[in-house]
Amino acid sequence: RKEVEQDPGPFNVPEGATVAFNCTYSNSASQSFFWYRQDCRKEPKLLMSVYSSGNEDGRFTAQLNRASQYISLLIRDSKLSDSATYLCVVDLTGGGNKLTFGTGTQLKVEL
Amino acid sequence: GAVVSQHPSWVICKSGTSVKIECRSLDFQATTMFWYRQFPKQSLMLMATSNEGSKATYEQGVEKDKFLINHASLTLSTLTVTSAHPEDSSFYICSARQPFSRRDSTDTQYFGPGTRLTVL
Repeated sequence: RKEVEQDPGPFNVPEGATVAFNCTYSNSASQSFFWYRQDCRKEPKLLMSVYSSGNEDGRFTAQLNRASQYISLLIRDSKLSDSATYLCVVDLTGGGNKLTFGTGTQLKVEL
Repeated sequence: GAVVSQHPSWVICKSGTSVKIECRSLDFQATTMFWYRQFPKQSLMLMATSNEGSKATYEQGVEKDKFLINHASLTLSTLTVTSAHPEDSSFYICSARQPFSRRDSTDTQYFGPGTRLTVL
């Protein structure tokens, strides 16, 4: 079983749609959780951290369910510029030392 | 803030040559930097953790004599791919860990733009 699993997609959605991505992780001792965004042939960029209480940043909402070892990302009112690969990232140690990346979920927002 | 640069952006070299990639944290000091490799359609895989002033820690399966890492200062780490072969062709990405930030409430890794290595 992979340490971090994501549906690779691609998810093709129309502009303005709401789309959700899910991610599961295998190690229950994992401490910190993140969503990164990676554009084609570019480096990953931090989108947001994920907390058990849930957190929101504009059109993006992230949620963590520790009991189910499940992380989600919701994008509302999707824009063409949201087209990218979204990486679910888990930090086993919590000190920013050991990030484990999922393979990413590809999103394509279309007119 | 939290800008990480990486040079070169891309390099094409002949098999058997060595290639050095630089990673710099531009606006913060990073005692710890990381080197990743990403093959097409695959996730980033951590190769090694670079600690300023000490030896790097390599992940299982990564040859330390082939991938030489030097972290000579708090803002610079280098990765040298020695005697490169076509199978070493990949996207190499470094990151630098920025200590606890108010925004993220945890230590966060910021990534350089990556170096695309092609070995002929």
